[in-house]
Amino acid sequence: DTAVSQTPKYLVTQMGNDKSIKCEQNLGHDTMYWYKQDSKKFLKIMFSYNNKELIINETVPNRFSPKSPDKAHLNLHINSLELGDSAVYFCASSQARLSGNTIYFGEGSWLTVV
Amino acid sequence: GNSVTQMEGPVTLSEEAFLTINCTYTATGYPSLFWYVQYPGEGLQLLLKATKADDKGSNKGFEATYRKETTSFHLEKGSVQVSDSAVYFCAPPEAGGTSYGKLTFGQGTILTVHP
Repeated sequence: DTAVSQTPKYLVTQMGNDKSIKCEQNLGHDTMYWYKQDSKKFLKIMFSYNNKELIINETVPNRFSPKSPDKAHLNLHINSLELGDSAVYFCASSQARLSGNTIYFGEGSWLTVV
Repeated sequence: GNSVTQMEGPVTLSEEAFLTINCTYTATGYPSLFWYVQYPGEGLQLLLKATKADDKGSNKGFEATYRKETTSFHLEKGSVQVSDSAVYFCAPPEAGGTSYGKLTFGQGTILTVHP
C-alpha cells in the first residue's frame, strides 16, 4: 500500500486553465504538506495543514488554494495557470507535533503548462 | 529560522569511489538533522537522521555524524554504486514545538555514478 499517494502523476495543460492535484495519506498522520520543486531540484514548502487547519502558507500566490476535507487528504487547486507554475509538486505527511519527525513524500505530480 | 548550506552539484563519480557531500547548518538549539534522497522519477525518502550531537546516522552504506562544534552533518559513503545516482538533500527542521516538522530543504546535490 502506498503511504502517500497523489494524482495525477503527469499533467499537461494550457495557460489560463484551472487544475487540481489530489493527495491522500494512509499513515494516520496529523500533518500534511505541499512542496514545489523547480527544474533545478530546489524544493520549497508551499503549505502545511495540521488536522485540517492551515498552519504554513509560504507566500504562495492566491491562485493556489489548498483544501483539506479531512486529515488524510490535502488537495491543491490552481487557478489561471501560468507558465511559471510548471514544476513537480510533492505532497507529504508527518506526525509532526515535535521537530525531528520524518516526512513521508508522495511520488510527485509533474505539471507542465504550455 | 534554521537553514542549511549544502555542497553544490552536480557531483560525478566512478563506481566504488568515495563520496562526501558537505552540509553545514545554522539552527536555534540542537534540532534533529536529516538526509533525504530522491531517486529519478520519485519523491524524497528519508536516508538517515541524527537526533542529537555526536550521533551518527547510517543507512545503505551512507553515514553522517552530527557535529555540534563545526555545525556540520556531512554525508559519506565509502564505495558508491550506480544505483546511488540521485539527488541528496540535507535538512534540519524548524526549531520549536509549533513548527509542525517543517523541513527547510535547499537545492539538493545531484549525484551521478558511472560504471
